[in-house]
Amino acid sequence: QKEVEQNSGPLSVPEGAIASLNCTYSDRGSQSFFWYRQYSGKSPELIMFIYSNGDKEDGRFTAQLNKASQYVSLLIRDSQPSDSATYLCAVWWGSNYKLTFGKGTLLTVNP
Amino acid sequence: DAGVTQSPTHLIKTRGQQVTLRCSPKSGHDTVSWYQQALGQGPQFIFQYYEEEERQRGNFPDRFSGHQFPNYSSELNVNALLLGDSALYLCASSSSPGRSGGYTFGSGTRLTVV
Repeated sequence: QKEVEQNSGPLSVPEGAIASLNCTYSDRGSQSFFWYRQYSGKSPELIMFIYSNGDKEDGRFTAQLNKASQYVSLLIRDSQPSDSATYLCAVWWGSNYKLTFGKGTLLTVNP
Repeated sequence: DAGVTQSPTHLIKTRGQQVTLRCSPKSGHDTVSWYQQALGQGPQFIFQYYEEEERQRGNFPDRFSGHQFPNYSSELNVNALLLGDSALYLCASSSSPGRSGGYTFGSGTRLTVV
């Protein structure tokens, strides 16, 4: 069974701080890793994807992948209240054609 | 460039009824996946359609069925509705199963079964 695990939170950080979100997955055969942001009552929105070990930066967001340890993380620098949302980690295993999601971590950024 | 379009946005049905949800993928995408998201949970994979065939199915009963049309649009049908089917149903499209950047989601259909 291919699974994706996330701490459901809530994770609360002050405005301007770094928010760190973590995700582990069960199978080393995974190929692609995605972070989605979901505001309450809305659909998920892709914010980052990463395929290779190491860091990938996009503006205030950095995705980190460690395949040997089977974890992927998302760092949000200079957190803003507008970043308050649920962050979903998703893993794609090419062998089964589907994107598998974790339960999501609720992030609250306090002004 | 139109994104993924889902209809209807909200729906209220009675237990035992049947429902059909619709999805038009993003332009250039040929693969449609359906997800069910219960409150406070991550999206759960229902099934995926490619070339008008069901390519992969999640752990959902046969009451859940689907179809993909030649123009890549798709329908999700749920028969004999249960209260537990109340959820946000998400359609996601991609250009074949993608390492190209993940899936693009529609705005979802909120189904309430009473």
